[in-house]
Amino acid sequence: AQTVTQSQPEMSVQEAETVTLSCTYDTSESNYYLFWYKQPPSRQMILVIRQEAYKQQNATENRFSVNFQKAAKSFSLKISDSQLGDTAMYFCAFMNAGNMLTFGGGTRLMVKP
Amino acid sequence: DVKVTQSSRYLVKRTGEKVFLECVQDMDHENMFWYRQDPGLGLRLIYFSYDVKMKEKGDIPEGYSVSREKKERFSLILESASTNQTSMYLCATMGGGQRHYGYTFGSGTRLTVV
Repeated sequence: AQTVTQSQPEMSVQEAETVTLSCTYDTSESNYYLFWYKQPPSRQMILVIRQEAYKQQNATENRFSVNFQKAAKSFSLKISDSQLGDTAMYFCAFMNAGNMLTFGGGTRLMVKP
Repeated sequence: DVKVTQSSRYLVKRTGEKVFLECVQDMDHENMFWYRQDPGLGLRLIYFSYDVKMKEKGDIPEGYSVSREKKERFSLILESASTNQTSMYLCATMGGGQRHYGYTFGSGTRLTVV
């Protein structure tokens, strides 16, 4: 079974600054995906970014990028130029070969003006 | 875009009641999932379904059952609601062979059992 750990229950950042959210996972599989989801107060889960395990290049989506360290089983999310709309719960998730998503406990991010 | 609709945003039920949570999707996705979300625990998988009339237990199936009579609808059933089932319930879908896109989620049902 896979486990996903987010060690930061809460974080805050000033608007326009950069913040990094941590995620580690444990698996014996080699073929998997990693995701970051955002859940704003509206409760709608939104896919932020994905990473395929066999790709060495770190994924980037506009202001969002990841640092994927496969050997260390680490998958952190960096948000650049933080905006008030980035305030949300962020979940790291692991998808195994059977297409099951396992989630971390979440990090509540507050962006302060 | 895929739409995943959960029938109720908020629900209050009494202990011992039978509760139905409905999820409907409009994009012909084969895979459907039910999760519960609790603070500090993230999302935990209750049940999932790969096809009509097929169901598989997730990590925490106790006290729950599911029904998938039609491809677009996946129902979560609390046979006899208890206070420890007070939680946020999220439905999700994924198309076959589309793991690259991850899951698409509904907006959740916050269930309170009193």
